[in-house]
Amino acid sequence: QVQLQESGPGLVKPSETLSLTCSVSGYSISSGYYWGWIRQPPGKGLELIGSIYYSGSTYYNPSLKSRVTMSVDTSKNQFSLKLSSVTATDTAVYYCARLGDYIVGYWGQGTLVTVSS
Amino acid sequence: QSALTQPPSASGSPGQSVTISCTGTSSDVGGYNYVSWYQQHPGKAPKLMIYEVNKRPSGVPDRFSGSKSGNTASLTVSGLQAEDEADYYCSSYAGSNNYVFGTGTKVTVL
Repeated sequence: QVQLQESGPGLVKPSETLSLTCSVSGYSISSGYYWGWIRQPPGKGLELIGSIYYSGSTYYNPSLKSRVTMSVDTSKNQFSLKLSSVTATDTAVYYCARLGDYIVGYWGQGTLVTVSS
Repeated sequence: QSALTQPPSASGSPGQSVTISCTGTSSDVGGYNYVSWYQQHPGKAPKLMIYEVNKRPSGVPDRFSGSKSGNTASLTVSGLQAEDEADYYCSSYAGSNNYVFGTGTKVTVL
């Protein structure tokens, strides 16, 4: 059974960088699929931030592209998100997920990140 | 890229049917038969209910069905049950590893 678990600070100051890591179990990232980050502001809808293949190939949402960096560590079976210059509008539940076959097939439980001083 | 448009809310009594629409463009919904639907209960991660417009993953009741016409997809929940009360999001593949989500619909079982 594929399982994903987000980890990282729950509180980030404005203008700083949000950093999250997703640990994957039950499936080797190197075996394929894209691995992505999806966020959901409180009371609002879902937004794809971007995704990364184990080889390092990435897709970033054009609206966030200038602030997003994703990386993958196949030795730890983890992938990561960095979002720079955050503001209050970046406050959201951040989900890591496995993307492929044109669906989001597996989701982490989500982690709330609040941007506040 | 804009979010797909869904009605904010829909409701029905137990046993009735409810249909949710999801309107996009020819670059997403209309361009691919890769529309999926997710159910989200409060505080939980979304759960895949329909993929490739009208296919159900194993374990999803056949009360859930999907369809598409042009740039609009639809999810129908027949025989509404209390546990169907949740938020529902559509999603469409939009090319180049891009996925667009809908604005979300809150389904209330009266």
